[in-house]
Order: sequence, then C-alpha cells, then structure tokens
Amino acid sequence: GQNIDQPTEMTATEGAIVQINCTYQTSGFNGLFWYQQHAGEAPTFLSYNVLDGLEEKGRFSSFLSRSKGYSYLLLKELQMKDSASYLCAVRFQYNFNKFYFGSGTKLNVKP
Amino acid sequence: DAGITQSPRHKVTETGTPVTLRCHQTENHRYMYWYRQDPGHGLRLIHYSYGVKDTDKGEVSDGYSVSRSKTEDFLLTLESATSSQTSVYFCAISESILSNQPQHFGDGTRLSIL
Repeated sequence: GQNIDQPTEMTATEGAIVQINCTYQTSGFNGLFWYQQHAGEAPTFLSYNVLDGLEEKGRFSSFLSRSKGYSYLLLKELQMKDSASYLCAVRFQYNFNKFYFGSGTKLNVKP
Repeated sequence: DAGITQSPRHKVTETGTPVTLRCHQTENHRYMYWYRQDPGHGLRLIHYSYGVKDTDKGEVSDGYSVSRSKTEDFLLTLESATSSQTSVYFCAISESILSNQPQHFGDGTRLSIL
C-alpha cells in the first residue's frame, strides 16, 4: 500500500476537542480527503486539503503538512453523534483515478 | 446526496456460485469505483471505470470482474464466490479526477459467502 496510517481507535468526552492524525508517504502526493462513516452506513465526504495549512468547516477542521506527510482532523465541541469512524484518503500524482484509504479511526464519544 | 443505488443491499450465497452486484448512478459521472471494506483493512479498491467500456484493476482485483456498458451502471461479478469474499462492498462515483473532487459512496452491499 501507500502507507496511509491512522490510529485504530480513540475515545473522547462530549464537549471536548479531539485530533485524529493521518500520515502518508510524501512522494507524488496530490491531495488528501477526510471522510466520516457511521456504523453500517456509507462514508461521507468531510474535507479536502492539498496545500499546507488549516481548512475550517464549522466544528471540523483539517490540517496538512506536505513536507511531513501528515494531516489531522480536528473535531471541536464533540457531540454524541460524532461517534463514527474517520477515514483518511490520499490521491497521488501517478494515478489520479485512485484514492488510497487508511484503515480508519473509530471515535467513541462518551457523555 | 449523490444519486447512487446499490443492489442488492444484502445477499447470502454459497461458495462456488456466481454473484453480481449492481451500482446505478443518476449523476452522469464519468468515474465509478468498487471497493470492499473489511475490519482492519479499510476500503480497498477492486476495480474502477473511467468511461463506458473503460475499466482497470485496483489493488484486490483477483476473483472479480466488472463491466460498464452504459454511463449509469457499473456491475461487479464474482465468477465463483469464495468465503474470503465475504465483505461489505461499496460503489463510489466521481465527476472528475481533478484533485479537489471527492468520491461519493453508495450505501453498500453486505455479502456473505457460506
């Protein structure tokens, strides 16, 4: 694979902030996508990064460092409904048709 | 929500039988994909299509074939199903391969091979 790595599982408390990390090989990088997937459902698109820096969308933000091969998804003011798996996917220049997915991070939000 | 319909949504069948899964889209998108999702492996690409009659292999294509005779339909066939093909199968579509274009997913097909 393309060594897309994410932590397997995380737990956080309602109302808190949580950061989910994703690392990938830097060679040929051409964009990174974050998806949310509730149990038994389809993945849904959350955010996209291709340049260094932070992209903010409401309670969710995504950060990218291309030189470090590193991204994170930041979830603020956690709600119970944020309990889901979060998938990191990377596109590379040598094949624009394909996304390479990490195994996903299961986030458990507790009261 | 993207107009993607997968059928059937659930299927149980026996080893050695042929199985065909259908993905139908109403978005007129050029690119279509079949993934399987298994615990610990995430989403893995089986095959994809970049136009009518244009398909290519993904990373886990052995034992699978695909066909795309019209823009809206992408079929995945297991010629002779094996227990290792028990999985959840997702279809995805994309309007283009411009770097900022995401893939959008169907609701999945849960396939059990006994």
